[in-house]
Amino acid sequence: DIVMTQSPDSLAVSLGERATIYCKSSQTVLYSSNNKNYLAWYQQKPGQPPKLLFYWASIRESGVPDRFSGSGSGTDFTLTISSLQPEDVAVYYCQQYYITPYSFGQGTKLEIK
Amino acid sequence: EAQLLQSGGGKVQPGGSHRLSCAASGFTFNTYAMNWVRQAPGKGLEWVSGIGGSGYSADYADSVKGRFTISRDNSKNTVYLQMNNLRAEDTAMYYCARGIWFETWGQGTPLTVSS
Repeated sequence: DIVMTQSPDSLAVSLGERATIYCKSSQTVLYSSNNKNYLAWYQQKPGQPPKLLFYWASIRESGVPDRFSGSGSGTDFTLTISSLQPEDVAVYYCQQYYITPYSFGQGTKLEIK
Repeated sequence: EAQLLQSGGGKVQPGGSHRLSCAASGFTFNTYAMNWVRQAPGKGLEWVSGIGGSGYSADYADSVKGRFTISRDNSKNTVYLQMNNLRAEDTAMYYCARGIWFETWGQGTPLTVSS
């Protein structure tokens, strides 16, 4: 099974500053035949279901602000928020859909400093 | 707009059974895989099960294999999760989710397994 590990577990960033969350998979999620990374990012606010932010590691879902970006390939991925806004306070999860059992990272709690 | 409306949450005794439902609207249901994801209180997300659009392929997390069964009725645009031999550790908020990356989520339905 693929294990997804996020870092840090929690992060406090000042408004307007950059926030960076890392995700590492225990084996590659890059499918060589199509050169796609089977990696998604989600945002979850308290009392709400998760919301998709990115798929294929870097394709932004419709309606997601462009201050959010996803990058990486193979086993190492990054979610970046370029200028933190109050509404970005949430828990963020990465997830691999390369192979079942699909797996999520443990989550990174993002707060305002 | 794609929507998933869940029903069926509740409280069940250990060893009991329960079925969750997730009704879809706003998209061509039989062209999408569907999944169940759960979240224990205060914990992270755990994929539970998934089923292909035709309903012929299904897969499960090891933690539920042999106890849970996913199914779908494409004539009713609904996916189900039949849960048997429930344990305390199955207590969680259960979400249905559309696609192989989970682009649409249900609102969640809570399940408590307790005597």
